[in-house]
Amino acid sequence: GAGVSQSPSNKVTEKGKDVELRCDPISGHTALYWYRQSLGQGLEFLIYFQGNSAPDKSGLPSDRFSAERTGGSVSTLTIQRTQQEDSAVYLCASSLGSGRGTDTQYFGPGTRLTVL
Amino acid sequence: AQTVTQSQPEMSVQEAETVTLSCTYDTSESDYYLFWYKQPPSRQMILVIRQEAYKQQNATENRFSVNFQKAAKSFSLKISDSQLGDAAMYFCAYRGSGSRLTFGEGTQLTVNP
Repeated sequence: GAGVSQSPSNKVTEKGKDVELRCDPISGHTALYWYRQSLGQGLEFLIYFQGNSAPDKSGLPSDRFSAERTGGSVSTLTIQRTQQEDSAVYLCASSLGSGRGTDTQYFGPGTRLTVL
Repeated sequence: AQTVTQSQPEMSVQEAETVTLSCTYDTSESDYYLFWYKQPPSRQMILVIRQEAYKQQNATENRFSVNFQKAAKSFSLKISDSQLGDAAMYFCAYRGSGSRLTFGEGTQLTVNP
């Protein structure tokens, strides 16, 4: 079946602009995760959604970052007033659930964000 | 907080040979999961192998196997009969009671023909 998809593949923006990154999880997966991959910081957790529960936002680096998941499926990560340090690859992953045997995370191809 | 350490930034192996990538982690939890992911230049993170901490038996997936030493908090990946397509960045990852993955710094594997 189809895997996790992300759009756009690449995004170039100017400092101070807002950007939206989209993630379509695997159909039927109730858990969705966002991670950031940058040269200086490696792979970092950003936010986690599980079903209808309140998201775990503990990894968001600042209040310029927000994410939502509509209808338990598609998720959008929004970065407001982008800064050059936001330049990174943003990876989305989904899993069937969060319990034993359902927790394996499958990743999308990522969105490379470049802030000029 | 949990930490994952990969002490080998780069490794190389001859095609058809065997290579072992190292990973150590630090945790106070007793129930957790460990993963190896592969990331080729395409950026797509691909699951290689998964190990549940409560299982003593080492996980295997075809040419990939792990050496899980719970007491030593060590989780190494062995790739047998290396192929050119195995060349990639390999990440070790930990998942504990929270659902997030904590990743190591990665090991860049080169396969020489």
